[in-house]
Amino acid sequence: EVQLVESGGDLVQPGGSLRLSCVASGFMFTDYSMNWVRQAPGKGLEWVSYISSSSANIFFGDSVKGRFIISRDNAKSSLYLQMTSLRVEDTAVYYCARVSRATGTLDYWGQGTLVTVSS
Amino acid sequence: EIVLTQSPATLSLSPGERATLSCRASQSVSSYLAWFQQRPGQAPRLLIYDASNRATGVPARFSGSGSGTDFTLTISSLEPEDFAVYYCQQRSNWPLTFGGGTKVEIK
Repeated sequence: EVQLVESGGDLVQPGGSLRLSCVASGFMFTDYSMNWVRQAPGKGLEWVSYISSSSANIFFGDSVKGRFIISRDNAKSSLYLQMTSLRVEDTAVYYCARVSRATGTLDYWGQGTLVTVSS
Repeated sequence: EIVLTQSPATLSLSPGERATLSCRASQSVSSYLAWFQQRPGQAPRLLIYDASNRATGVPARFSGSGSGTDFTLTISSLEPEDFAVYYCQQRSNWPLTFGGGTKVEIK
């Protein structure tokens, strides 16, 4: 069974930093591209970042470019999101999502981890 | 950036009724459009990929259609568990973008 489990969400002050993790199981993590998607309280979904299976290709949404770093450790089946210079508007549930090799679609999602940026 | 506009924002229907949700793209996304369902407190769940293909385990009452800029998600007969928020998402161009969502609520 495919499972994605996020962790690392917390309350942090504006300007602070946080590192999120997503541990994958039930599939060959090395073979799959991954994404982070976030959802502010009561709002819709916003794509944050993408990393290919080998980390050769990385993309960010404009709202986080230059502040967030995505990385992965295939040996640990883990995906990371290093967030710096956090803003109040970064407050959201952060989901990791797998990209299907067959369809290119976000086929499995974790349950999310809540990041709250507030003073 | 490709903007996806979903309509209506809210759809009030009764169990057993047919639901028709719309997603319009600001430019062509070919057939690279997916639909997700999100129930309260849960992660999004993939329903439809590439405009018209049901994901594994998705009931046949869910169907998708369209290409280019206009897409439709149809739920043929609403079950109690179908009352949720539905999002469309395109993967034609970076950045990936989502529509604002349609909430299907019980009338």
